[in-house]
Amino acid sequence: GNSVTQMEGPVTLSEEAFLTINCTYTATGYPSLFWYVQYPGEGLQLLLKATKADDKGSNKGFEATYRKETTSFHLEKGSVQVSDSAVYFCALINTGNQFYFGTGTSLTVIP
Amino acid sequence: DTAVSQTPKYLVTQMGNDKSIKCEQNLGHDTMYWYKQDSKKFLKIMFSYNNKELIINETVPNRFSPKSPDKAHLNLHINSLELGDSAVYFCASSQDLTGHDEQYFGPGTRLTVT
Repeated sequence: GNSVTQMEGPVTLSEEAFLTINCTYTATGYPSLFWYVQYPGEGLQLLLKATKADDKGSNKGFEATYRKETTSFHLEKGSVQVSDSAVYFCALINTGNQFYFGTGTSLTVIP
Repeated sequence: DTAVSQTPKYLVTQMGNDKSIKCEQNLGHDTMYWYKQDSKKFLKIMFSYNNKELIINETVPNRFSPKSPDKAHLNLHINSLELGDSAVYFCASSQDLTGHDEQYFGPGTRLTVT
């Protein structure tokens, strides 16, 4: 079956710290992988995606690399800002267009 | 221009009532979805429609009934509301069923059942 496991939060970091949020997946075939971000009181927004092995998705200083050998898609950012405080969801989509979301990781960045 | 819109944004109602949440997308997408997000931020897909046809119908109570009058709209009707229905409901859309398209989410409807 298909599933996504991401690291539990909440995560609290100081501004300019390095961020890693781990995400691993189980899937049949060749899924596409996504990171979504949900700011307080808002809907989910696509942050980045990767559609095949070894692809790197990047946006707003965030990066994630599709690693088929470790079935992982870890999210990283070199220097977080207060405005990055949000909930981050790892997700995969497989045939049939059904999304499988992780449980979300809450990030709080303090000045 | 809002891509995926939902109304209302907030809905407070009493147990036993019937309510509807409306969703519209102006992206020209073929597929629309309803998700439920609980207080711990866990997202669960409820329904998926492609070109007005039901594709995914996860295990949800039959008090929940989606209705798609056209491919730009997917409304969610809930009968006999219960306390456990309190959550944030998100509508989303994607281009088609190829399996690799991102989904675009609406802003959510916070439903509170008292």
